[in-house]
Amino acid sequence: DSGVTQTPKHLITATGQRVTLRCSPRSGDLSVYWYQQSLDQGLQFLIQYYNGEERAKGNILERFSAQQFPDLHSELNLSSLELGDSALYFCASSPPGYEAGGPNTQYFGPGTRLTVL
Amino acid sequence: LAKTTQPISMDSYEGQEVNITCSHNNIATNDYITWYQQFPSQGPRFIIQGYKTKVTNEVASLFIPADRKSSTLSLPRVSLSDTAVYYCLVGDREGGSYIPTFGRGTSLIVHP
Repeated sequence: DSGVTQTPKHLITATGQRVTLRCSPRSGDLSVYWYQQSLDQGLQFLIQYYNGEERAKGNILERFSAQQFPDLHSELNLSSLELGDSALYFCASSPPGYEAGGPNTQYFGPGTRLTVL
Repeated sequence: LAKTTQPISMDSYEGQEVNITCSHNNIATNDYITWYQQFPSQGPRFIIQGYKTKVTNEVASLFIPADRKSSTLSLPRVSLSDTAVYYCLVGDREGGSYIPTFGRGTSLIVHP
């Protein structure tokens, strides 16, 4: 158990719909990362938040957005869903320290499996 | 962006030592090399991390040459339960942020 929790575990929805995935980081971790993993694309970094602020963006579509709340939990919002959005979505958290040049160690949650029909 | 290159797959047998090498030619001076293990439908799990030379923990060793353009994950005496995908990760630091770029990983299959 990494200490990172994600809900829901599974999500089945239809094209055009909107869903929200939730992540709670490990206690003490300030950073949250979101990833998408599909069979043909591997593990793709989407976005990072640090202590409530967006810090880095990867291959995140405009239909997707995220935020991190004062209690440090994060939500990933996916809208106008398409069949190709079906994937595993992981969040990870990392402890502070890498900003000062230390290592970045990420602890991943169990993921949310999204199926778009 | 920092990119990594690993073999797509490897096969081994129980009890053997497995070495997986990752190439990261444009690693930044201040970046670390981190290895993760992933089982199907589970989140990646941290295995080991290092900056240079050799690092060892209870599950693996990590060898990093002086030029840091590659690294080798060594798994001693593998078992069937080590069958998984292994990723090496280096990131890009930009003004305090960290942009991770995972490669496709190495699928290790351990045979009885």
